[in-house]
Amino acid sequence: EIVMTQSPATLSVSPGERATLSCRASQSIGSNLAWYQQKPGQAPRLLIYGASTRATGVPARFSGSGSGTDFILTISSLQSEDFAVYYCQQFNVWPPWTFGQGTKVEIK
Amino acid sequence: QVQLVQSGAEVKKPGASVKVSCEASGYTFTSYGISWVRQAPGQGLEWMGWINPYTGNTEYAENLRGRVTMTTDRSTSTAYVELRSLRSDDTAVYFCARLIGDYTAFDYWGQGTLVTVSS
Repeated sequence: EIVMTQSPATLSVSPGERATLSCRASQSIGSNLAWYQQKPGQAPRLLIYGASTRATGVPARFSGSGSGTDFILTISSLQSEDFAVYYCQQFNVWPPWTFGQGTKVEIK
Repeated sequence: QVQLVQSGAEVKKPGASVKVSCEASGYTFTSYGISWVRQAPGQGLEWMGWINPYTGNTEYAENLRGRVTMTTDRSTSTAYVELRSLRSDDTAVYFCARLIGDYTAFDYWGQGTLVTVSS
């Protein structure tokens, strides 16, 4: 099973600042990585797939990069609606398609 | 528009079974895989398994094999997950999610169904 490790667990950022979230895979997963955003009481929302392709309707301030074992989700200028928990998920090896444990982005 | 609408909350006793439904609309049901993902209170996301609605093929997470069954009804475009021998640590919100055609992400999610296991 591929283990996905996200860091940091919590990121405190001021509105308008840049946020950088990390996701590391225990073995190479190519570009088979997705990022999701989840707000309290809601289902996750797809942001990025294929490590760097924005899903339909996702604002350009969200960008994904990386390949192999190390991946980054960048939010270029945080808006109030971006404070949430972010999860990465690998799709290279299954079962299972494993998730990271999440990074909470909170208001500083 | 694509929608996945799940059944309502359930309360079950330990040892019982639960079956959660996920009705799909707005797309060709048999053209996209469905996965189930659960989230215990205050915890992260756990992938439970996958079903191909066209073939009925399934894959399950190892820790749930033997207790979980995923099925679909093509006539109603509905996916189901049944979990048996419920334990308190099965208490979670259960989500269905549609798999992008090339198996690289879940692009649409149901609203979630809370299953509470308590004596």
